[in-house]
Amino acid sequence: GENVEQHPSTLSVQEGDSAVIKCTYSDSASNYFPWYKQELGKGPQLIIDIRSNVGEKKDQRIAVTLNKTAKHFSLHITETQPEDSAVYFCAASLSGGYQKVTFGTGTKLQVIP
Amino acid sequence: EAGVTQSPTHLIKTRGQQATLRCSPISGHTSVYWYQQALGLGLQFLLWYDEGEERNRGNFPPRFSGRQFPNYSSELNVNALELEDSALYLCASSLRGIVNQPQHFGDGTRLSIL
Repeated sequence: GENVEQHPSTLSVQEGDSAVIKCTYSDSASNYFPWYKQELGKGPQLIIDIRSNVGEKKDQRIAVTLNKTAKHFSLHITETQPEDSAVYFCAASLSGGYQKVTFGTGTKLQVIP
Repeated sequence: EAGVTQSPTHLIKTRGQQATLRCSPISGHTSVYWYQQALGLGLQFLLWYDEGEERNRGNFPPRFSGRQFPNYSSELNVNALELEDSALYLCASSLRGIVNQPQHFGDGTRLSIL
C-alpha cells in the first residue's frame, strides 16, 4: 500500500520568514495530494491540493510543488504569521474512486512573533 | 453551508463498553470516512462509506464497525472498548467521483477509555 513520509516533524520559524514542509510517497499511481492544517482542538482543514498533471499551485501565501519523477511534494508558506502555527499534514491518494487517502505523520509549525 | 458535524464532542467510557459516534456530512456529499487520531499521531484510516455501503476498510479489528443511513449520515460503533482505543475520531465527507475529491473534516469526537 501507499506510504507517505513527512519531514520535519517540528519546525520553528520567525514571523515573516518562510516555512517548507516536505513529503515523499511510495506509490507512483498516486495522483492527488492534499494538504491539511489542524489547529488545537479542531479537525484538519484542507488548505491546498494538487493533482499529478500540475507541477505547482499557489494560493496567496501558500504554494505546493510536485515532482512526480522523484515522488515528492512540498508545502511552502511565505511571510509566516503567528496564526499559521498549527500541525500540517500532507496526504496522497489514488484515483479510480478508491477514495483512500494516506496521511503523513504531521509537522508541528511554530511561528515565533 | 454547514460543515461536517460530529457528536458527541467528548465521550467517556470504561473498558469493555460500547461506543457510538455520529457524523453528518456536508449537504450533497455521499461519501463518509472515519479516521482515528491517537494523541500526537497522524490520521489512521478506519472506514469509508458511500451510498449506504462500506467501500473500504483500514487495518482495524472487526469490533470497529459502522453504517451509513439513507440521508448519508453515519455512525461508528466500537465494541469491547480497550484502553488503546482512546483517541480523537474524525469524520470526513466528500463528493463521490472517478477523480478523487477533497475530504472535508469535522472537529471530531474525543473518546476516552478509563
